[in-house]
Amino acid sequence: AQKITQTQPGMFVQEKEAVTLDCTYDTSDQSYGLFWYKQPSSGEMIFLIYQGSYDEQNATEGRYSLNFQKARKSANLVISASQLGDSAMYFCAMRERRSNDYKLSFGAGTTVTVRA
Amino acid sequence: KAGVTQTPRYLIKTRGQQVTLSCSPISGHRSVSWYQQTPGQGLQFLFEYFSETQRNKGNFPGRFSGRQFSNSRSEMNVSTLELGDSALYLCASSLSGGKIRNTEAFFGQGTRLTVV
Repeated sequence: AQKITQTQPGMFVQEKEAVTLDCTYDTSDQSYGLFWYKQPSSGEMIFLIYQGSYDEQNATEGRYSLNFQKARKSANLVISASQLGDSAMYFCAMRERRSNDYKLSFGAGTTVTVRA
Repeated sequence: KAGVTQTPRYLIKTRGQQVTLSCSPISGHRSVSWYQQTPGQGLQFLFEYFSETQRNKGNFPGRFSGRQFSNSRSEMNVSTLELGDSALYLCASSLSGGKIRNTEAFFGQGTRLTVV
């Protein structure tokens, strides 16, 4: 079964606007971590934000925030005030404590294109 | 603090050959993981090494192997290359143990392998 589902293959957003990238996950573990990564065309995966399953508050890192809804098993990434440099592929990933293998399970990714 | 370094950045090999990719993790990180990224399959976990021991392996044939040295540097080897091995190979380093937050993975820029 797919552990991470990203249903939006691609999105267009106007510069300076906000965009929400959807991510749902599947786990029976009580302890897990959710990560978002950005992958520009250069290929490097850049860590953006982390949300722990026991974190009571939604994570924020600068213009990135995570809308964590545990009961719905969703961890949507919100990028505020989009910039041209935000154009990239975005991946949601999960690491489960139970497996204890430090493997990240990735979603299929969402391509974001920021228009001037 | 230097990031994760992968060499080479690009490789072109012919079918049947073998290839070795190298990854130098962030100083102090003892866990190194390898991922294969293709347009069709997305990001797939290959294996993870910690303190020179392979802790976990993904669902890949035995042609894919790796090792880790005492300085935490890691290499992966693919023997008898097939056209389907063409991919971006990403290496990630992490602290290991403790809270899941501390297992955040930092990625290198990847090695783009083309098999012809």
